[in-house]
Amino acid sequence: GESVGLHLPTLSVQEGDNSIINCAYSNSASDYFIWYKQESGKGPQFIIDIRSNMDKRQGQRVTVLLNKTVKHLSLQIAATQPGDSAVYFCAENRGSSNTGKLIFGQGTTLQVKP
Amino acid sequence: EAQVTQNPRYLITVTGKKLTVTCSQNMNHEYMSWYRQDPGLGLRQIYYSMNVEVTDKGDVPEGYKVSRKEKRNFPLILESPSPNQTSLYFCASGSGTGLPGANVLTFGAGSRLTVL
Repeated sequence: GESVGLHLPTLSVQEGDNSIINCAYSNSASDYFIWYKQESGKGPQFIIDIRSNMDKRQGQRVTVLLNKTVKHLSLQIAATQPGDSAVYFCAENRGSSNTGKLIFGQGTTLQVKP
Repeated sequence: EAQVTQNPRYLITVTGKKLTVTCSQNMNHEYMSWYRQDPGLGLRQIYYSMNVEVTDKGDVPEGYKVSRKEKRNFPLILESPSPNQTSLYFCASGSGTGLPGANVLTFGAGSRLTVL
C-alpha cells in the first residue's frame, strides 16, 4: 500500500555539523513532496517543497534531494543549529496534484548537541 | 498576524459527550484540513475542504464530522467521542487548489483531546 516513511526515528548531530534526514515513499505517482518542521508544542511549519520534475531544490540552509528511481527524498540542513531541534516530517501529495491530500511520514526527531 | 486559531487547546471529556473543536483562519484561504497526530503514526488526515460547502474524507474520517459554511471556519465535530479519539488535533489551511497552495499549509497550534 501507499506509505511515506522515514528511515530513522531519531537523529542526533553536533551543532555546526550538517544533518541529513531521509524519507522513502512508495507511491510512484506522487508528483509533489514537502518537508515540515514541528517544534515542541507547536503545529508543523512548512520548510521546503519539490516537484517530481526536479531532483534538487535549495532554500536557506536547507536542501531537498529527490531520487525518483529509488523513491527517496532527503532533507539536508547545513551548519545545524540548536533551533533546528524538532521533528521533521516528509509529506507527499497523493497522485493528483489538485486534491491537497497530503500523506505524512512518521517523523524524524532531530536532536542538536551543543 | 496571519494565523490558524483552534479552540479549545486542551479538553478532557467523557465517552459519548458531543464536542466541537473550532478552527478559524484569517488568510482568506480556500483550502482547510484537519489532522490527528498520534505517537508512531505521524499526521493523518481526517477531513479536508477545497472551498465553502465542499468537504471530503481524508484517511481516518470515521467518528468525525465537519462543515464549511464560511470560508474562514472549519469546525471538527465529534458526535459521540470514544477513547480511541484521544489525540492531538491540528487544523490547517492552504492558499488554494493545485500546486502549491493546497500543500503549503499553515497549521494551528493544536488541540489536545482526551476522551475518558
